[in-house]
Amino acid sequence: EPEVTQTPSHQVTQMGQEVILRCVPISNHLYFYWYRQILGQKVEFLVSFYNNEISEKSEIFDDQFSVERPDGSNFTLKIRSTKLEDSAMYFCASRTNRDNEQFFGPGTRLTVL
Amino acid sequence: AQSVAQPEDQVNVAEGNPLTVKCTYSVSGNPYLFWYVQYPNRGLQFLLKYITGDNLVKGSYGFEAEFNKSQTSFHLKKPSALVSDSALYFCAVLRGWLTGGGNKLTFGTGTQLKVEL
Repeated sequence: EPEVTQTPSHQVTQMGQEVILRCVPISNHLYFYWYRQILGQKVEFLVSFYNNEISEKSEIFDDQFSVERPDGSNFTLKIRSTKLEDSAMYFCASRTNRDNEQFFGPGTRLTVL
Repeated sequence: AQSVAQPEDQVNVAEGNPLTVKCTYSVSGNPYLFWYVQYPNRGLQFLLKYITGDNLVKGSYGFEAEFNKSQTSFHLKKPSALVSDSALYFCAVLRGWLTGGGNKLTFGTGTQLKVEL
C-alpha cells in the first residue's frame, strides 16, 4: 500500500541553523501539507501546497519557513534560522483531488538546541 | 472559525469493555469530521470520517463514530476494547469539501486511551 515517507526521522540542530525536512507524498496525490506537533500538544496546521504554490498558511508559518516541490516526488519544508521553539514533530500529509482524506507520514522529530 | 474539543485528556477502560472517546465540534456550514490514531513514535493513521449520510460511521480496527448534529458531537466508539487499542486519538474537522487547495484539518488536543487487562 502506498504511503507518505519522511526523512530524516530525527534531526538535531543548533539554534540559528537552517534545516530542510523532506517528504515523499503518495505518487498520484496533488495536495500537500505540513503540520507540526509540539511535544504534548495538539497537531497544528502549517501550510498547504497545490499546483506549485502555497494555498494557505497559518500564523506559525512566518518568513523563516518555506516549502518547495523541487521535483516530481519530493516536498520539502525549510526553516531558515531555527529557534528553540521550533522543536516539534513535523508531519507531512498528502491527498488526491477527489477525496479529502489526508494521508500522513511518520513524522520528523526536530530538536533545536 | 472551526474547532474541535476533546474534553478528556485520558480514558481508561478494561479490555473487553466498550470504549467511548468524546469529541465536540464547532464549524459553520456542514461539518466534515475525522478520527486519527497515533501510536508511540508513529504518524497519524486515519480511522474514519463523516461526510454525509448515515450518522453511524464504521472505520478501521472495529471502531465506529456517531455523528450527532443536535449535540455537535462525533464520539468515537468500539464495542470491545483491546490492549492494542491503547494510543493517542485525535478528532479533526475539515473546512469545506474539495473547496480549493487549502482544506486544512483542525485537530483536537487528543485523548490518550489506555486499555488494561
